[in-house]
Amino acid sequence: GQSLEQPSEVTAVEGAIVQINCTYQTSGFYGLSWYQQHDGGAPTFLSYNALDGLEETGRFSSFLSRSDSYGYLLLQELQMKDSASYFCAFTNNNDMRFGAGTRLTVKP
Amino acid sequence: DTAVSQTPKYLVTQMGNDKSIKCEQNLGHDTMYWYKQDSKKFLKIMFSYNNKELIINETVPNRFSPKSPDKAHLNLHINSLELGDSAVYFCASSVSYEQYFGPGTRLTVT
Repeated sequence: GQSLEQPSEVTAVEGAIVQINCTYQTSGFYGLSWYQQHDGGAPTFLSYNALDGLEETGRFSSFLSRSDSYGYLLLQELQMKDSASYFCAFTNNNDMRFGAGTRLTVKP
Repeated sequence: DTAVSQTPKYLVTQMGNDKSIKCEQNLGHDTMYWYKQDSKKFLKIMFSYNNKELIINETVPNRFSPKSPDKAHLNLHINSLELGDSAVYFCASSVSYEQYFGPGTRLTVT
């Protein structure tokens, strides 16, 4: 079957670093994406990994291990505005599926 | 310069009614999607169109029918609305792995 698992909630303080993990199960895997969604807003694209390793975009980095069917999103120097839901999503040869989302709360 | 737009933003209607949601993208993308996000924020793909042809048709009730008059538009028509259809519906478009989402349509069925 196909599935994605990510923690439902994460809490961290401003300035800290937080890692949101995602494990997936699918066939014909192409890549893993991450999206951010603020309350009342639309999902917005953050990053995509097709190959193993770390991709860095400013304060956000994303990692993929295809052999472990695992990835993570790393958020550094957390700011209050980073409080949002974060979704991992895989793309395969037929489909794109999203995880249930991780709600990140950043506290002062 | 809205990339992906949806109308209406809010839709309140009674059970049994038929309603449509419209989506337009000005990005020149070939692929468009409809997603349903329920109250628990689970984002589920419903349909995908590539250059006006349906390429994904998830197991959604046949009361939901997508229509793509051209590759810039993907509308969603819903017949005989039920309480469980209440959700936020997002349209999206993509050219590769990156999807651009519309602002969403919050549908409330009473």
